[in-house]
Amino acid sequence: SQTIHQWPATLVQPVGSPLSLECTVEGTSNPNLYWYRQAAGRGLQLLFYSVGIGQISSEVPQNLSASRPQDRQFILSSKKLLLSDSGFYLCAWSKGVEQYFGPGTRLTVT
Amino acid sequence: KQEVTQIPAALSVPEGENLVLNCSFTDSAIYNLQWFRQDPGKGLTSLLLIQSSQREQTSGRLNASLDKSSGRSTLYIAASQPGDSATYLCAVGEDDKIIFGKGTRLHILP
Repeated sequence: SQTIHQWPATLVQPVGSPLSLECTVEGTSNPNLYWYRQAAGRGLQLLFYSVGIGQISSEVPQNLSASRPQDRQFILSSKKLLLSDSGFYLCAWSKGVEQYFGPGTRLTVT
Repeated sequence: KQEVTQIPAALSVPEGENLVLNCSFTDSAIYNLQWFRQDPGKGLTSLLLIQSSQREQTSGRLNASLDKSSGRSTLYIAASQPGDSATYLCAVGEDDKIIFGKGTRLHILP
Protein backbone atom coordinates (compact mmCIF):
# COMPACT_ATOMS: atom_id res chain seq x y z
CA SER A 1 0.00 0.00 0.00
CA GLN A 2 1.02 3.58 -0.52
CA THR A 3 2.12 5.87 2.28
CA ILE A 4 3.19 9.48 2.37
CA HIS A 5 5.57 10.95 4.93
CA GLN A 6 6.30 14.53 5.88
CA TRP A 7 8.85 15.91 8.29
CA PRO A 8 9.26 17.61 10.53
CA ALA A 9 5.80 17.56 12.11
CA THR A 10 6.32 20.96 13.72
CA LEU A 11 8.89 23.66 13.20
CA VAL A 12 9.59 27.04 14.76
CA GLN A 13 11.96 29.24 12.79
CA PRO A 14 13.03 32.89 13.10
CA VAL A 15 12.35 35.41 10.35
CA GLY A 16 15.10 35.35 7.76
CA SER A 17 16.18 31.78 8.40
CA PRO A 18 16.13 29.09 5.67
CA LEU A 19 13.53 26.36 5.38
CA SER A 20 13.49 22.82 4.10
CA LEU A 21 10.43 20.59 4.36
CA GLU A 22 10.56 17.11 2.96
CA CYS A 23 7.89 14.81 1.62
CA THR A 24 8.35 11.22 0.46
CA VAL A 25 5.92 8.72 -0.99
CA GLU A 26 6.22 4.95 -0.76
CA GLY A 27 4.50 2.19 -2.66
CA THR A 28 3.97 3.91 -6.00
CA SER A 29 6.01 5.24 -8.90
CA ASN A 30 5.88 8.46 -10.90
CA PRO A 31 3.13 10.08 -8.83
CA ASN A 32 2.00 13.66 -9.23
CA LEU A 33 3.16 15.55 -6.14
CA TYR A 34 1.74 18.70 -4.55
CA TRP A 35 2.58 21.23 -1.85
CA TYR A 36 -0.31 23.08 -0.18
CA ARG A 37 -0.38 25.71 2.56
CA GLN A 38 -3.19 26.42 4.96
CA ALA A 39 -2.75 29.78 6.69
CA ALA A 40 -4.77 30.73 9.76
CA GLY A 41 -8.33 31.66 8.82
CA ARG A 42 -7.77 30.87 5.16
CA GLY A 43 -8.47 27.98 2.85
CA LEU A 44 -6.05 25.47 1.50
CA GLN A 45 -3.86 26.98 -1.20
CA LEU A 46 -1.90 25.06 -3.84
CA LEU A 47 1.73 26.22 -3.91
CA PHE A 48 3.50 23.83 -6.26
CA TYR A 49 2.82 20.68 -8.19
CA SER A 50 5.05 18.28 -10.05
CA VAL A 51 4.28 15.67 -12.70
CA GLY A 52 7.81 14.26 -12.81
CA ILE A 53 11.42 14.57 -11.68
CA GLY A 54 12.66 18.11 -12.13
CA GLN A 55 9.25 19.34 -13.33
CA ILE A 56 7.81 21.96 -11.00
CA SER A 57 4.86 24.27 -11.59
CA SER A 58 4.29 27.23 -9.29
CA GLU A 59 0.79 28.43 -8.63
CA VAL A 60 1.47 31.57 -6.61
CA PRO A 61 4.42 33.99 -6.49
CA GLN A 62 6.22 33.84 -3.15
CA ASN A 63 9.60 33.41 -1.56
CA LEU A 64 9.21 29.65 -1.52
CA SER A 65 10.57 27.13 -4.02
CA ALA A 66 10.12 23.42 -4.60
CA SER A 67 12.31 20.69 -5.99
CA ARG A 68 11.85 17.05 -6.93
CA PRO A 69 15.29 15.44 -6.92
CA GLN A 70 13.89 11.91 -6.98
CA ASP A 71 10.70 10.32 -8.28
CA ARG A 72 9.06 10.06 -4.85
CA GLN A 73 10.68 12.98 -3.04
CA PHE A 74 9.34 16.52 -2.99
CA ILE A 75 11.07 19.32 -1.09
CA LEU A 76 9.76 22.76 -0.15
CA SER A 77 12.40 25.39 0.54
CA SER A 78 12.97 28.99 1.34
CA LYS A 79 16.18 31.00 1.59
CA LYS A 80 14.69 33.57 3.99
CA LEU A 81 11.44 33.01 5.84
CA LEU A 82 8.84 35.74 6.31
CA LEU A 83 6.30 36.01 9.10
CA SER A 84 3.60 35.41 6.50
CA ASP A 85 5.08 31.98 5.73
CA SER A 86 3.62 30.64 8.98
CA GLY A 87 1.00 28.00 8.40
CA PHE A 88 0.23 24.34 7.98
CA TYR A 89 1.98 22.76 5.00
CA LEU A 90 0.54 19.66 3.40
CA CYS A 91 2.12 17.41 0.81
CA ALA A 92 -0.08 15.25 -1.40
CA TRP A 93 0.30 12.68 -4.15
CA SER A 94 -1.97 11.35 -6.88
CA LYS A 95 -1.88 8.82 -9.69
CA GLY A 96 -5.36 9.48 -10.97
CA VAL A 97 -8.20 11.65 -9.82
CA GLU A 98 -7.85 11.26 -6.06
CA GLN A 99 -5.25 13.05 -4.00
CA TYR A 100 -3.82 11.57 -0.82
CA PHE A 101 -2.41 13.84 1.83
CA GLY A 102 0.44 13.59 4.28
CA PRO A 103 0.18 14.40 8.00
CA GLY A 104 1.37 17.98 7.49
CA THR A 105 4.00 20.28 9.00
CA ARG A 106 3.05 23.13 11.32
CA LEU A 107 5.46 26.01 10.65
CA THR A 108 5.64 29.00 12.96
CA VAL A 109 7.86 31.88 11.92
CA THR A 110 8.79 34.13 14.85
CA LYS B 1 -10.61 31.48 -12.61
CA GLN B 2 -12.27 28.77 -10.55
CA GLU B 3 -13.55 29.79 -7.13
CA VAL B 4 -14.94 27.38 -4.57
CA THR B 5 -17.21 28.66 -1.80
CA GLN B 6 -18.46 26.80 1.25
CA ILE B 7 -21.40 27.95 3.32
CA PRO B 8 -21.71 28.14 6.26
CA ALA B 9 -18.20 28.75 7.56
CA ALA B 10 -19.15 27.18 10.87
CA LEU B 11 -22.04 25.07 12.07
CA SER B 12 -23.11 23.64 15.43
CA VAL B 13 -25.85 21.04 15.64
CA PRO B 14 -27.08 18.69 18.39
CA GLU B 15 -26.04 15.08 18.23
CA GLY B 16 -28.36 12.86 16.23
CA GLU B 17 -29.51 15.48 13.77
CA ASN B 18 -29.10 15.19 10.03
CA LEU B 19 -27.22 18.05 8.39
CA VAL B 20 -26.18 19.40 5.00
CA LEU B 21 -22.98 21.19 4.07
CA ASN B 22 -22.93 23.26 0.91
CA CYS B 23 -20.28 23.88 -1.72
CA SER B 24 -20.49 25.99 -4.86
CA PHE B 25 -18.03 26.52 -7.70
CA THR B 26 -17.93 29.10 -10.47
CA ASP B 27 -16.65 27.07 -13.44
CA SER B 28 -18.63 23.93 -14.25
CA ALA B 29 -15.82 22.46 -16.39
CA ILE B 30 -14.52 20.21 -13.63
CA TYR B 31 -13.21 16.66 -13.73
CA ASN B 32 -14.42 15.70 -10.28
CA LEU B 33 -15.33 16.97 -6.83
CA GLN B 34 -14.01 15.68 -3.51
CA TRP B 35 -15.10 16.13 0.06
CA PHE B 36 -12.39 15.95 2.73
CA ARG B 37 -12.35 15.95 6.48
CA GLN B 38 -9.64 17.71 8.48
CA ASP B 39 -9.18 17.28 12.19
CA PRO B 40 -7.38 20.12 14.04
CA GLY B 41 -3.67 20.21 13.24
CA LYS B 42 -3.83 17.13 11.06
CA GLY B 43 -3.80 16.24 7.39
CA LEU B 44 -6.79 15.69 5.17
CA THR B 45 -8.84 12.53 4.88
CA SER B 46 -10.74 11.95 1.66
CA LEU B 47 -14.40 11.17 2.33
CA LEU B 48 -16.09 10.98 -1.06
CA LEU B 49 -15.05 11.53 -4.66
CA ILE B 50 -17.66 12.27 -7.34
CA GLN B 51 -16.63 12.09 -10.97
CA SER B 52 -18.01 14.78 -13.27
CA SER B 53 -20.30 12.20 -14.91
CA GLN B 54 -21.80 11.11 -11.58
CA ARG B 55 -24.62 12.67 -9.57
CA GLU B 56 -23.85 11.32 -6.11
CA GLN B 57 -21.72 9.04 -3.97
CA THR B 58 -22.51 7.39 -0.65
CA SER B 59 -20.33 6.05 2.12
CA GLY B 60 -21.97 4.96 5.36
CA ARG B 61 -23.76 7.94 6.88
CA LEU B 62 -22.36 10.31 4.25
CA ASN B 63 -23.93 11.20 0.93
CA ALA B 64 -22.47 13.71 -1.51
CA SER B 65 -24.31 15.09 -4.51
CA LEU B 66 -23.05 16.98 -7.53
CA ASP B 67 -24.94 19.28 -9.88
CA LYS B 68 -22.37 20.47 -12.39
CA SER B 69 -24.70 22.67 -14.38
CA SER B 70 -25.58 24.77 -11.35
CA GLY B 71 -22.11 24.58 -9.82
CA ARG B 72 -23.23 23.01 -6.56
CA SER B 73 -22.44 20.08 -4.32
CA THR B 74 -23.83 19.05 -0.96
CA LEU B 75 -22.53 16.74 1.73
CA TYR B 76 -25.30 15.14 3.76
CA ILE B 77 -24.43 13.65 7.13
CA ALA B 78 -27.08 11.45 8.70
CA ALA B 79 -27.51 10.89 12.43
CA SER B 80 -24.58 13.12 13.40
CA GLN B 81 -22.20 12.04 16.16
CA PRO B 82 -19.68 13.99 18.29
CA GLY B 83 -16.90 12.23 16.37
CA ASP B 84 -18.10 13.98 13.22
CA SER B 85 -16.80 17.28 14.61
CA ALA B 86 -14.13 18.49 12.20
CA THR B 87 -13.59 20.87 9.29
CA TYR B 88 -15.08 19.66 6.03
CA LEU B 89 -13.44 20.81 2.82
CA CYS B 90 -14.83 20.72 -0.68
CA ALA B 91 -12.40 20.62 -3.61
CA VAL B 92 -12.93 20.60 -7.38
CA GLY B 93 -10.52 18.81 -9.69
CA GLU B 94 -9.18 20.44 -12.85
CA ASP B 95 -6.41 18.90 -14.98
CA ASP B 96 -3.57 18.07 -12.56
CA LYS B 97 -4.68 20.27 -9.69
CA ILE B 98 -7.55 20.78 -7.34
CA ILE B 99 -9.01 23.97 -5.89
CA PHE B 100 -10.23 23.97 -2.33
CA GLY B 101 -12.96 25.87 -0.54
CA LYS B 102 -12.21 27.39 2.86
CA GLY B 103 -14.14 24.69 4.66
CA THR B 104 -17.02 24.42 7.09
CA ARG B 105 -16.14 23.91 10.78
CA LEU B 106 -18.67 21.46 12.13
CA HIS B 107 -19.29 21.02 15.85
CA ILE B 108 -21.64 18.29 17.01
CA LEU B 109 -23.03 19.04 20.45
CA PRO B 110 -23.27 15.98 22.74
